[in-house]
Amino acid sequence: EIVMTQSPATLSVPPGERATLSCRSSHSVFSHLAWYQQKPGQAPRLLIYGASTRATGIPARFSGSGSGTEFTLTISSLQSEDFAVYYCQQFNNWPRTFGQGTKVEIK
Amino acid sequence: QVQLQGSGPGLVKASQTLSLTCTVSGASISSGDSSWNWIRQSPGKGLEWIGYIYSTGSTHYNPSLKSRVTISRDTSKNLFSLKLTSVTAADTAVYYCAREAEDVTYYYYYMDVWDKGTTVTVSS
Repeated sequence: EIVMTQSPATLSVPPGERATLSCRSSHSVFSHLAWYQQKPGQAPRLLIYGASTRATGIPARFSGSGSGTEFTLTISSLQSEDFAVYYCQQFNNWPRTFGQGTKVEIK
Repeated sequence: QVQLQGSGPGLVKASQTLSLTCTVSGASISSGDSSWNWIRQSPGKGLEWIGYIYSTGSTHYNPSLKSRVTISRDTSKNLFSLKLTSVTAADTAVYYCAREAEDVTYYYYYMDVWDKGTTVTVSS
């Protein structure tokens, strides 16, 4: 099983600033990685797949990068609606596995 | 557009069987290249993939749950179901159904459609 590790657990950022979230896999997943946003009481929402491709309707301030075992999600200028928990998920192997999440909170 | 709606009991007694259903609209579960998945989320274990049923009817389960899980489908009703036997308090979670789709250009996969989640509590 591929273990996904996200850091930091919590990120405090002022509105309008940049947020950088990290995700590391225990084995290479090439570019088979997705990012999700989850708000309280809601299901995860797909943001990025293939490590860097934005899903339909996702604003350009969200960008993903990386390959192999190191990945980054960047939110270029945090808006009020972006404060949430973010998860990475690998699609290279079964079982599909998720990171434990990074909570982005208002500073 | 594709929508998923999960349903089932919110309370299950320990040692009994958890049964949930996911009704799909806007897509056929028996055609195409999508797989139809169950995922759960608990405070203790985060997001955990349970398994899927593919459009051909083949299934694949998380080894950690494989001995207790069955995913099946009813193509006439366009729905798929989850059964988890011998439940304990550790199975208390929000259960999601989700579609895993494929970007056919680059063979990238992603879960793009989720239901709202069904909260299941296992009571003693």
